[in-house]
Amino acid sequence: DTGVSQNPRHKITKRGQNVTFRCDPISEHNRLYWYRQTLGQGPEFLTYFQNEAQLEKSRLLSDRFSAERPKGSFSTLEIQRTEQGDSAMYLCASRGTGTGGQETQYFGPGTRLLVL
Amino acid sequence: GQSLEQPSEVTAVEGAIVQINCTYQTSGFYGLSWYQQHDGGAPTFLSYNALDGLEETGRFSSFLSRSDSYGYLLLQELQMKDSASYFCAVRDWASNTGKLIFGQGTTLQVKP
Repeated sequence: DTGVSQNPRHKITKRGQNVTFRCDPISEHNRLYWYRQTLGQGPEFLTYFQNEAQLEKSRLLSDRFSAERPKGSFSTLEIQRTEQGDSAMYLCASRGTGTGGQETQYFGPGTRLLVL
Repeated sequence: GQSLEQPSEVTAVEGAIVQINCTYQTSGFYGLSWYQQHDGGAPTFLSYNALDGLEETGRFSSFLSRSDSYGYLLLQELQMKDSASYFCAVRDWASNTGKLIFGQGTTLQVKP
């Protein structure tokens, strides 16, 4: 257990439905990342928050995707009008700003999304 | 662009030593990280090399050669629980967010 939690762990939905995932990072970590991972691939960056500010979004993040981090604590990732290509594992990671923290990201267990 | 290459699969027997290689092409470079991911689990940090040479942490060691844009993860005294996917990763040089770029991962299967 890394201390980062994600809910739900699994989500099955029908194409066209909206889904929302939640990430609770390690409490003292002000930096939060969302990644997407498909089978047999490494995680790919989606978006980054520093405190409550969303500072970077990947081109992978279409306008159907939105992420928030109110109050700089937990974060949500919403996918609207889901498509079958959205089926993947969605990973959240957090890190602090102390020394040695530049590289170490702490990942949650992920939310596995299946769009039928 | 930035990319990392690693073998897709490696198989070894319990008690053996295995080396997982990673070559990278980046416009800039801070260092090379390694993550372990068990099936269905979260990637967990194993090691980080910023400078050339070998870093040892218990049964795991990681090596970096900046001049060769190459690194490897060495796993000794393999145990069944080491069966997992291993990813090398670098910080995106073009971003100041610390976001990571991962290789495709190497699936290690440890056999009895």
